[in-house]
Amino acid sequence: GAGVSQSPSNKVTEKGKDVELRCDPISGHTALYWYRQSLGQGLEFLIYFQGNSAPDKSGLPSDRFSAERTGGSVSTLTIQRTQQEDSAVYLCAPAEAGGSYEQYFGPGTRLTVT
Amino acid sequence: AQSVTQLDSQVPVFEEAPVELRCNYSSSVSVYLFWYVQYPNQGLQLLLKYLSGSTLVKGINGFEAEFNKSQTSFHLRKPSVHISDTAEYFCAVRLNNNDMRFGAGTRLTVKP
Repeated sequence: GAGVSQSPSNKVTEKGKDVELRCDPISGHTALYWYRQSLGQGLEFLIYFQGNSAPDKSGLPSDRFSAERTGGSVSTLTIQRTQQEDSAVYLCAPAEAGGSYEQYFGPGTRLTVT
Repeated sequence: AQSVTQLDSQVPVFEEAPVELRCNYSSSVSVYLFWYVQYPNQGLQLLLKYLSGSTLVKGINGFEAEFNKSQTSFHLRKPSVHISDTAEYFCAVRLNNNDMRFGAGTRLTVKP
């Protein structure tokens, strides 16, 4: 999606290590989603940020996962003590909070846990 | 709880043939409906969306979808597909809040 960058594009890490994934969204979009896409699977909702409201963390699969969004812009998703089942493509999607509700997907970070 | 079901995981079709990709959702409340496309090695992009109004929605690249409330469906159609339409297609439903759910995807393969 235009104006949405994610870094790194690829990350290979050893089991047990912590990783931090970054999303730089389009300015002006107060809402932001994180998803996980495993091989051959659909998108799995992880977390949702909307303005200054408390984030909706209902999709986070375990307490090893956390995310924050600073200043309503850049967001980071942190996975602690990574496991092999964490291997997936992690997508961030800023969204229009009102009106069209369209999401603008970033290119994703492909995480491989060895 | 509400969910999205894409009835076909794979749809092979010949070039210039019509195609329908099926999507059903389960929800007792008003929803907003979307179709996203993911071309090989690319990110997801919006094809079309239904928020309100006319139940027939036209999107990019000649695709259209029809919202059928009684059947809780939002099937995607194209009258004549091209090789370049080969991609993964995702149906998505958003409730009247931030709850967004995606289907498992349908892989459309267009053969010459």
